[in-house]
Amino acid sequence: SQQGEEDPQALSIQEGENATMNCSYKTSINNLQWYRQNSGRGLVHLILIRSNEREKHSGRLRVTLDTSKKSSSLLITASRAADTASYFCATDEGSGGSNYKLTFGKGTLLTVNP
Amino acid sequence: DVKVTQSSRYLVKRTGEKVFLECVQDMDHENMFWYRQDPGLGLRLIYFSYDVKMKEKGDIPEGYSVSREKKERFSLILESASTNQTSMYLCASTRGKGASGQFFGPGTRLTVL
Repeated sequence: SQQGEEDPQALSIQEGENATMNCSYKTSINNLQWYRQNSGRGLVHLILIRSNEREKHSGRLRVTLDTSKKSSSLLITASRAADTASYFCATDEGSGGSNYKLTFGKGTLLTVNP
Repeated sequence: DVKVTQSSRYLVKRTGEKVFLECVQDMDHENMFWYRQDPGLGLRLIYFSYDVKMKEKGDIPEGYSVSREKKERFSLILESASTNQTSMYLCASTRGKGASGQFFGPGTRLTVL
């Protein structure tokens, strides 16, 4: 079943601009994660934010989490052509045990034009 | 450099064939996962395993089985391949304790004719 839903489905910007992608989910979570996927490749983990955190930074990435609205945003600052990829949010609903099963959204396709 | 490897990048099989997709990780991770990825549907979990010889069904297990005889290896089996199993298959692993990101393999693009 789909948990995270990214918005927008596609985003096209110029190099140097900031890119913001949003993710909404439906049930309570332990943490929310963002991944990047270059065309035809596997996913790469970018950042994890726990349910008791509101904001997290990693390099040019900034993630926010609003558990009251069940939403998260990923901001990429000063974008580069190499940031062109699909971005997915994934939620860990923490049903118990140590399985750390994730539910992924359908992704946002980001295109950064040089 | 930590790695998750998958046995093939591209695979073409015929309807009715038995297909084995292999995944190996070198990080001593307890948890391993098989997903399929289709346009417009995102990633969907097929099966996962949290220990050797342990397995649990994901969201779409029908038509698939798995095997985990060793900690580092997790195999996905298509008992009788069908055209609707044409997809990108992604394997991932993560450690058993403490929340952390999943490490993904490069994917296997399977075409069933």
